[in-house]
Amino acid sequence: DAKTTQPTSMDCAEGRAANLPCNHSTISGNEYVYWYRQIHSQGPQYIIHGLKNNETNEMASLIITEDRKSSTLILPHATLRDTAVYYCIVKRRGGSNYKLTFGKGTLLTVNP
Amino acid sequence: EAQVTQNPRYLITVTGKKLTVTCSQNMNHEYMSWYRQDPGLGLRQIYYSMNVEVTDKGDVPEGYKVSRKEKRNFPLILESPSPNQTSLYFCASRPGQVWDYTFGSGTRLTVV
Repeated sequence: DAKTTQPTSMDCAEGRAANLPCNHSTISGNEYVYWYRQIHSQGPQYIIHGLKNNETNEMASLIITEDRKSSTLILPHATLRDTAVYYCIVKRRGGSNYKLTFGKGTLLTVNP
Repeated sequence: EAQVTQNPRYLITVTGKKLTVTCSQNMNHEYMSWYRQDPGLGLRQIYYSMNVEVTDKGDVPEGYKVSRKEKRNFPLILESPSPNQTSLYFCASRPGQVWDYTFGSGTRLTVV
């Protein structure tokens, strides 16, 4: 699985968009980009995933660059409840590596 | 409601006293997994299961056992707990090839 690099921490004002970047320059053609988040001591929560097209769901949008070497998770109107550690993970669909590797992620703090 | 249910949420036990942490999912998911989370070490996979009666070791399986006799249940067994197994444990499940895990709320275990 390709390695990812994320900033350690970010701040965002409540009501504004939170844009969380992730670098995955060694991603291969059949690997997907996944985003999870973990609110303090709760179980991680799946947010969204994508291959090459931009994706949107009720929680967030995922923008993947054309060369697929980086992506951005967008929370359009951040609230205090969005304060969490956000993990960007690259995984191949299926495969024999049955492990989701969580790195250190980005601690997003949403301020009032 | 689709969910992964772990019990108990909190447990304090003594060294050597066998314990079981239960995990149940109501989504008919094939894949289930156990993770532990420790400060500075992040989330690490203990065991995983691809289906009934099919399990395999993750990164940190020592001191743990699992079983998957039914699709919905994936208990984690500590035959002889030791203080270094004090941790926050998460069970998770996913339906198939996509890595959209649903995590349980966690079990905070303290071994004294």
